[in-house]
Amino acid sequence: QKEVEQDPGPLSVPEGAIVSLNCTYSNSAFQYFMWYRQYSRKGPELLMYTYSSGNKEDGRFTAQVDKSSKYISLFIRDSQPSDSATYLCAMIIGGYNKLIFGAGTRLAVHP
Amino acid sequence: DVKVTQSSRYLVKRTGEKVFLECVQDMDHENMFWYRQDPGLGLRLIYFSYDVKMKEKGDIPEGYSVSREKKERFSLILESASTNQTSMYLCASSLNKGGKDQPQHFGDGTRLSIL
Repeated sequence: QKEVEQDPGPLSVPEGAIVSLNCTYSNSAFQYFMWYRQYSRKGPELLMYTYSSGNKEDGRFTAQVDKSSKYISLFIRDSQPSDSATYLCAMIIGGYNKLIFGAGTRLAVHP
Repeated sequence: DVKVTQSSRYLVKRTGEKVFLECVQDMDHENMFWYRQDPGLGLRLIYFSYDVKMKEKGDIPEGYSVSREKKERFSLILESASTNQTSMYLCASSLNKGGKDQPQHFGDGTRLSIL
C-alpha cells in the first residue's frame, strides 16, 4: 500500500462546476499538508499549505484536512478552463521536511 | 515571490556523458532538493541538502551525485548518463523555520533526454 493514495483521473468537468480532489494517507505521523498545481511542461506550483485539521480557504480554493480519517481534500469553486492541470497532494512528517507526494489527479475544465 | 531557476528547460545528451543540471534559488533558503518525475511513478527524491557542502541521499540516488558549494546553488550530476535517466528533473527549495516544516517551491524543470 502506498503511503499516499490519489486517484489519477482524468477528471473532466464543465466550466463553473465545483471540483473535489482527494487524497488518503496511511501514516498518522504526517503533520503538514500541501496541494500543488502543475501545468503541462512546468514545475509544481504551491496552492495551499496547512498543518491542522479543518478548512483553509484562499479565493476559489478550499483545502480540507481530516486527520482522524487520514483524508485531505481540495475544493475548487466556479472552476475555469485555466484550472485545467494536474493537482498533486503532498505531506510531510514533522521535522523531516521530506515531501511524500500523491500520484496527481489530471483535471480538465471544458468551456 | 520565491524564484527557483533551473539553467536549462530542455537538454539532449549522449549515453556515457557526464551531465550537470544547475539550480539557483533567490530566497536564501537553507534546504534544496532534486527530484525526477516520470509518468506513472510520480515525483521521486534523488538528493537533498540542508546546508552548504552538506548532502543527503533521497530514495533513488544511484547514478547521481550533487554539489552545494554556495547556499543559493544546488547542482545535480549524472556521472555517466544512461537512457534510463531520461526524465523531467525538478529542483525545489524551502526555508528552515525552526520547528515548523515549510513548503517546498519548485523550478520549472529540465526535460533531459539521453540518446
